[in-house]
Amino acid sequence: GENVEQHPSTLSVQEGDSAVIKCTYSDSASNYFPWYKQELGKGPQLIIDIRSNVGEKKDQRIAVTLNKTAKHFSLHITETQPEDSAVYFCAASMRDNFNKFYFGSGTKLNVKP
Amino acid sequence: ETGVTQTPRHLVMGMTNKKSLKCEQHLGHNAMYWYKQSAKKPLELMFVYNFKEQTENNSVPSRFSPECPNSSHLFLHLHTLQPEDSALYLCASSQEGVQPQHFGDGTRLSIL
Repeated sequence: GENVEQHPSTLSVQEGDSAVIKCTYSDSASNYFPWYKQELGKGPQLIIDIRSNVGEKKDQRIAVTLNKTAKHFSLHITETQPEDSAVYFCAASMRDNFNKFYFGSGTKLNVKP
Repeated sequence: ETGVTQTPRHLVMGMTNKKSLKCEQHLGHNAMYWYKQSAKKPLELMFVYNFKEQTENNSVPSRFSPECPNSSHLFLHLHTLQPEDSALYLCASSQEGVQPQHFGDGTRLSIL
């Protein structure tokens, strides 16, 4: 089955700096890659997603890039703010089993004011 | 408001108790999921229901018993749990096709 690895496990940045979180996947059949943000005491919330027919997608300060050849995708947050502090999860799913999301182990992002 | 509501938010139970977790989605989705979230581990998929039919059971012990009476409601019945079952249990829903899953805020379960 699919294996998703996520790095780093913790990331500390100064307010206003950029943060990058990287994920790799193993199965070339994966074609949908969502990113979730989980704040303390809450469930994961979808923040951005990308499909395999697109190389990059942007939504204000958040962007995701996908390299299908290398089988990796990354989350980029620019101009970080303290409210960006949370745990971020990447996931991958494939065309043949769209119900099954394979999640990374999470990155705890701390934005220092 | 996430559109997926889970109750209770917290539950403490002994190993011999029987309890149920409830999930309700208000998004008109036709697939629902149970996940287990333990510290420093990836989210573990437990069960998947499509149009009320169970399509995935990820080798979950029989002490966890899901029930999906309709496409808006999902239950997880618990009995004779073990201390290692203490975790955050998350419910999610999605529309058919390759679509994002929307999560509830979870039930924090502690087994004494």
